[in-house]
Amino acid sequence: GQNIDQPTEMTATEGAIVQINCTYQTSGFNGLFWYQQHAGEAPTFLSYNVLDGLEEKGRFSSFLSRSKGYSYLLLKELQMKDSASYLCAVRDSNYQLIWGAGTKLIIKP
Amino acid sequence: GAVVSQHPSRVICKSGTSVKIECRSLDFQATTMFWYRQFPKQSLMLMATSNEGSKATYEQGVEKDKFLINHASLTLSTLTVTSAHPEDSSFYICSASAPDSGSSPLHFGNGTRLTVT
Repeated sequence: GQNIDQPTEMTATEGAIVQINCTYQTSGFNGLFWYQQHAGEAPTFLSYNVLDGLEEKGRFSSFLSRSKGYSYLLLKELQMKDSASYLCAVRDSNYQLIWGAGTKLIIKP
Repeated sequence: GAVVSQHPSRVICKSGTSVKIECRSLDFQATTMFWYRQFPKQSLMLMATSNEGSKATYEQGVEKDKFLINHASLTLSTLTVTSAHPEDSSFYICSASAPDSGSSPLHFGNGTRLTVT
């Protein structure tokens, strides 16, 4: 079966750096996505990786290793507003999005 | 950028009644729209894939007679929760794929919080 694993919850301090990991086993691979979701709101797109390596976008970076079935989202200079759930999703060979359960990130002052 | 509008954002209804949720792509044509449900502290669960001009494809375990989906045009899909019960209370989110959207396949509506009393 298809599966995406990410930690359920993480805690970090304002101003610090946090890395959220995601591992996946899917039928084929056509890209990996990270979304941010604040409580009671719809997800918003953060990043996309289809080739191995690091994609940087401001305070957020996302890394992919296809051979390891592994990705991480790196958040720098954490702000209180970064408190949210972060969803990892993989597009499989049928171009279906397979969603992880999300990682709830708690930022403390 | 691509925008998806979902309405209503919040609805409270009595058990046994039906509720219709609309999802519109505002600045692009969406041949495919997706309907998700999300229970508290859980991830998104795909309910069905809505294709313009054809019947929706439902995920396993989702009752197609209870969750009616209509995708009558390239910019509008509707989800009707028929004979709603308290266990249908959830956060319903629609999304759509914009053309040439390889790097960002889904644009989400703001979601609808359904409470069935």
